Amino acid sequence: KAGVTQTPRYLIKTRGQQVTLSCSPISGHRSVSWYQQTPGQGLQFLFEYFSETQRNKGNFPGRFSGRQFSNSRSEMNVSTLELGDSALYLCASSPLLVRAGTQYFGPGTRLTVL
Amino acid sequence: QQQVKQSPQSLIVQKGGISIINCAYENTAFDYFPWYQQFPGKGPALLIAIRPDVSEKKEGRFTISFNKSAKQFSLHIMDSQPGDSATYFCAAGGDFGNEKLTFGTGTRLTIIP
Repeated sequence: KAGVTQTPRYLIKTRGQQVTLSCSPISGHRSVSWYQQTPGQGLQFLFEYFSETQRNKGNFPGRFSGRQFSNSRSEMNVSTLELGDSALYLCASSPLLVRAGTQYFGPGTRLTVL
Repeated sequence: QQQVKQSPQSLIVQKGGISIINCAYENTAFDYFPWYQQFPGKGPALLIAIRPDVSEKKEGRFTISFNKSAKQFSLHIMDSQPGDSATYFCAAGGDFGNEKLTFGTGTRLTIIP
């Protein structure tokens, strides 16, 4: 099976702009989670989608949003970019399980805000 | 309540030695404890995971030891190799009916010849 794919891999934006990142989960996986990784804060949970519904959300401002499509592909959007949004954004997919299980991460999108 | 504390922050081990990374959690509702390995420029890759109904799980050179009463778990890498040099993250999850993982802060492991 192909792994989790994320596009684009690298992105440079300026403050105030908005950005959309895309994630394609492993075939058959219906849960997609997004994480932000920075040297100072480590890996922080943004949100999780399952069957097009947001099931859980982390402690990020409303500028961070996401959605999931019927084919399980997901996008996250960051509006009004700030310098502190520079980070590696990781997407992880997981098969449907009653209990939480293995999450498989993509390579990430490296966002740089200038 | 949601924290996972990981130590040490960095670790240098001689080739062939045992690398040990420790994690502690607070939320007793966590029931899934994975370890991830991350190389520069890559996303984290699942290494090994354990549920609290067992005290130890071994896969090849990698072993998780789990102490439910102490709310601690650790990763042991036996016969450490230079290719094991990476950043390791412990995580905990499973108590929210969804896939959220709470991660430790990471340990940068360096294996020297």
